[in-house]
Amino acid sequence: GAGVSQTPSNKVTEKGKYVELRCDPISGHTALYWYRQSLGQGPEFLIYFQGTGAADDSGLPNDRFFAVRPEGSVSTLKIQRTERGDSAVYLCASSVGVLGAYEQYFGPGTRLTVT
Amino acid sequence: QKEVEQDPGPLSVPEGAIVSLNCTYSNSAFQYFMWYRQYSRKGPELLMYTYSSGNKEDGRFTAQVDKSSKYISLFIRDSQPSDSATYLCEFAQGAQKLVFGQGTRLTINP
Repeated sequence: GAGVSQTPSNKVTEKGKYVELRCDPISGHTALYWYRQSLGQGPEFLIYFQGTGAADDSGLPNDRFFAVRPEGSVSTLKIQRTERGDSAVYLCASSVGVLGAYEQYFGPGTRLTVT
Repeated sequence: QKEVEQDPGPLSVPEGAIVSLNCTYSNSAFQYFMWYRQYSRKGPELLMYTYSSGNKEDGRFTAQVDKSSKYISLFIRDSQPSDSATYLCEFAQGAQKLVFGQGTRLTINP
């Protein structure tokens, strides 16, 4: 079946602009996670959703970052007033449920470059 | 002290060698211990997860957890060039706390 998909695969934007990154999880997976991965580092947790609600957003670095999942499926990560330090690969993962957090399926990521 | 420590390598070994990858952690509340493989410009792919101390085997891969020493390992037997990738350990405290290691870059030379 289809895996986790993320769009766009690459995004180049200017400092100060607004960006939206989209994640389409595996059908039926109720838990969805966002991570950020900088070059040479492991993924860094940002936020996870159980259904439509953000169950834990403690990893969001500041209030420029926001994520939604209005219908409990597709999620959008939104970054306002982008900064060069936001440049990274943004990964999305899904799992069957929150108790399946140890068995996550990752998408290919969106490579964000802020110039 | 970092919550998770993983030697970033790079690690280079000849084809057929046994590879040992390791992570240490400081949070004794971690319950699940995972290993992911990540190829260049791809998302991480789950290899194995374990819940308790001891060994778990899957084909050429063996995951080992020592909770008393807060140390986990992944062993790869009969390594192949296709095993060349970055290997990431991940720790979970329920679903609330998910922490990855830095990743170890592994190259298997034919």
